[in-house]
Amino acid sequence: DAKTTQPTSMDCAEGRAANLPCNHSTISGNEYVYWYRQIHSQGPQYIIHGLKNNETNEMASLIITEDRKSSTLILPHATLRDTAVYYCIVRAEKLTFGTGTRLTIIP
Amino acid sequence: EAGVVQSPRYKIIEKKQPVAFWCNPISGHNTLYWYRQNLGQGPELLIRYENEEAVDDSQLPKDRFSAERLKGVDSTLKIQPAELGDSAVYLCASSGNSGNTIYFGEGSWLTVV
Repeated sequence: DAKTTQPTSMDCAEGRAANLPCNHSTISGNEYVYWYRQIHSQGPQYIIHGLKNNETNEMASLIITEDRKSSTLILPHATLRDTAVYYCIVRAEKLTFGTGTRLTIIP
Repeated sequence: EAGVVQSPRYKIIEKKQPVAFWCNPISGHNTLYWYRQNLGQGPELLIRYENEEAVDDSQLPKDRFSAERLKGVDSTLKIQPAELGDSAVYLCASSGNSGNTIYFGEGSWLTVV
């Protein structure tokens, strides 16, 4: 599976949009971009995934660049409950986690 | 609909003792995964089942770890004997089929003292 690069940590003000970047320059044509998050003492929670097109669901939006070498997860109106570690994963068959981005929402 | 259910939630054992974790996947999910997560790191795959067959156990330390998924539904992960370095969160996950979205349970927190 392709490797991803994410910032170690980010802060975002409550009520603002949180934009989490992810680089995956070695992604292959059949590999999906998945995002999970993990709140302390809980299991990873699925957020969203995409292949080529931008995707949106009730939790977030996923913007994938045209060359597919990077993507951005957008939480449109961050709340304190969005404080978590966010994992960007490029997946063919396996789901291989990195160390993720620790997002802190500031009141 | 119930998610992935794991038990026990927390377990503290002395080193050299055995321990077992149980997982009930989402109903109808054929693929089941066991992951291990060490403190401050992302989860790492231990084993993947397609129905009752272990199709990827390359990362499972087979000298002390074993797993089974009888009848292709529930699964058990066992460690015998446990070592101090086995302290971690053991996560079970499932998906409809390999390649579908994977959903995780809350995890079983193991502390070996």
